[in-house]
Amino acid sequence: KAGVTQTPRYLIKTRGQQVTLSCSPISGHRSVSWYQQTPGQGLQFLFEYFSETQRNKGNFPGRFSGRQFSNSRSEMNVSTLELGDSALYLCASSWGDRQSTEAFFGQGTRLTVV
Amino acid sequence: QKEVEQDPGPLSVPEGAIVSLNCTYSNSAFQYFMWYRQYSRKGPELLMYTYSSGNKEDGRFTAQVDKSSKYISLFIRDSQPSDSATYLCAMNRGSGGGADGLTFGKGTHLIIQP
Repeated sequence: KAGVTQTPRYLIKTRGQQVTLSCSPISGHRSVSWYQQTPGQGLQFLFEYFSETQRNKGNFPGRFSGRQFSNSRSEMNVSTLELGDSALYLCASSWGDRQSTEAFFGQGTRLTVV
Repeated sequence: QKEVEQDPGPLSVPEGAIVSLNCTYSNSAFQYFMWYRQYSRKGPELLMYTYSSGNKEDGRFTAQVDKSSKYISLFIRDSQPSDSATYLCAMNRGSGGGADGLTFGKGTHLIIQP
């Protein structure tokens, strides 16, 4: 059974640019969440989608956005990139409508902003 | 005070020892508790998932939750060098139909010496 797939694995962008990251959840999973991981702050919740609807959002500026498609695949977008956006971005998928249970993570996309 | 506190380590123990990893938390609404293992440059891997107080055992791993003390633990028996990784505790309220994202500890870096 395939796990959570994130693309691309590595990305280098310039300040001010925008970036789109992609996540394909485990087959049959309908909930997708995104997290940012940095050495200083650890793993922080960005947002969660279920059945194409954003259900929760963490404490991040509006430059961070996302969406989910009818096949449960998800994308997140960061506009007007800042140096501090450099991080590992992780996607997690879950079976049902409760993200609390058994969230499985992908390998992440490592974003470097220069 | 952060919602979830976890000693960053490093924690270094000899092969075969019993390892004890811990987290404390402040939000009494947390009901779901998880432990993840993360190897360098990889995504977090779910090890244990527990609901409310109690113990759960899976092979060499035992998870304990004491909600009265707001304290959770992960024990690793017969530790192996391959267990060397960062261990992250995670938790959330599990409100269902609108669940929050996971709140993570910063992680404990564990080193098993051969």
